[in-house]
Amino acid sequence: TQLLEQSPQFLSIQEGENLTVYCNSSSVFSSLQWYRQEPGEGPVLLVTVVTGGEVKKLKRLTFQFGDARKDSSLHITAAQTGDTGLYLCAGPTRRALTFGSGTRLQVQP
Amino acid sequence: DTAVSQTPKYLVTQMGNDKSIKCEQNLGHDTMYWYKQDSKKFLKIMFSYNNKELIINETVPNRFSPKSPDKAHLNLHINSLELGDSAVYFCASSRLAGTTTDTQYFGPGTRLTVL
Repeated sequence: TQLLEQSPQFLSIQEGENLTVYCNSSSVFSSLQWYRQEPGEGPVLLVTVVTGGEVKKLKRLTFQFGDARKDSSLHITAAQTGDTGLYLCAGPTRRALTFGSGTRLQVQP
Repeated sequence: DTAVSQTPKYLVTQMGNDKSIKCEQNLGHDTMYWYKQDSKKFLKIMFSYNNKELIINETVPNRFSPKSPDKAHLNLHINSLELGDSAVYFCASSRLAGTTTDTQYFGPGTRLTVL
């Protein structure tokens, strides 16, 4: 079974701070996706990374896929209260997605 | 227009009852899924249908039975509800099954509480 572990589980920071969350696996994934889930809603795709070493930027969010395609990170610069939510990494396994354990981010004003 | 919709949004019921959750997508996707999110926010695949055919059936009790009347709908029927079934159930859809970069679109979730 391919498992994805995310760290930290919880993160509470002040607006304007930078942060990084991690997604790690002992298995190789062909791609990894990052989703954000807000309370009372379903996850929404932020990005898909496919190539080992790939870096993608989405405004203040920077996503990186590890060279060996076993891990990924999400870095947020100058966090805003609107970044609050549950961040989930996910990798494809047997025609569905395996999700990580999630990082719950709270950005305080 | 809502892409993936689920009804009901909230479901509170007694142990032992039978209940159904409905899901519809208007994206024209071929593949639909049911996921369960537990109290620790862990999201796990339950079922996947591609063009009305079951393609993934994880280790889910037989009390859970998905039904896909057409490729735009995937319903979930649960018999003899148990306390441990309390969770948020998400329906999702994607254009294709088995592609590694396909986006999954999630519904808003159904919060099931079994008393």
